[in-house]
Amino acid sequence: DAGITQSPRYKITETGRQVTLMCHQTWSHSYMFWYRQDLGHGLRLIYYSAAADITDKGEVPDGYVVSRSKTENFPLTLESATRSQTSVYFCASSEYQGASTGELFFGEGSRLTVL
Amino acid sequence: AQSVSQHNHHVILSEAASLELGCNYSYGGTVNLFWYVQYPGQHLQLLLKYFSGDPLVKGIKGFEAEFIKSKFSFNLRKPSVQWSDTAEYFCAVIGTNAGKSTFGDGTTLTVKP
Repeated sequence: DAGITQSPRYKITETGRQVTLMCHQTWSHSYMFWYRQDLGHGLRLIYYSAAADITDKGEVPDGYVVSRSKTENFPLTLESATRSQTSVYFCASSEYQGASTGELFFGEGSRLTVL
Repeated sequence: AQSVSQHNHHVILSEAASLELGCNYSYGGTVNLFWYVQYPGQHLQLLLKYFSGDPLVKGIKGFEAEFIKSKFSFNLRKPSVQWSDTAEYFCAVIGTNAGKSTFGDGTTLTVKP
């Protein structure tokens, strides 16, 4: 199926453990994004990527690492999870060149709980 | 830097009431503007967008928004809300050279049957 898929959808981990959230899109969109959603904070951009091998920090990048070796994949790694990283994480993609408007297409979200 | 301000954090309406959600943005150039909706337990999806032309844009489910450039505003409206409109609404802006969107904090709409 075409679209953007995230895995896992739900994850419980412990403080200090490494966690990787996966994101895969089938549209060949150049841009991909990771957001976290927390009550009272709306959506906050963690990292984004304009193309394979090009990544940049967003608003709240500390404690996270990303990579983009292939256009379709954009994994987000929490190197040493902390309780403050308990959140719902959304991956999104967009095409922002030429006549495209920059509309975002979101995955279903990954709910992460850090104990 | 881009910024987006949504004035209402939580709005409660009865069915058939009219809705207007405020959104103001700050950006020193040309922008594209969006409203996204997130139904309970779901991901965000596009409600409507403005990028050029008629400043009054119509989206899905009877929603519309008006871009007023002089006021840096992009308010969302619906003449008559339904219980199924209960959701969180996000305004977002993307500068034409920015590549990445900036979101407002969201407005939670609760529609009472």
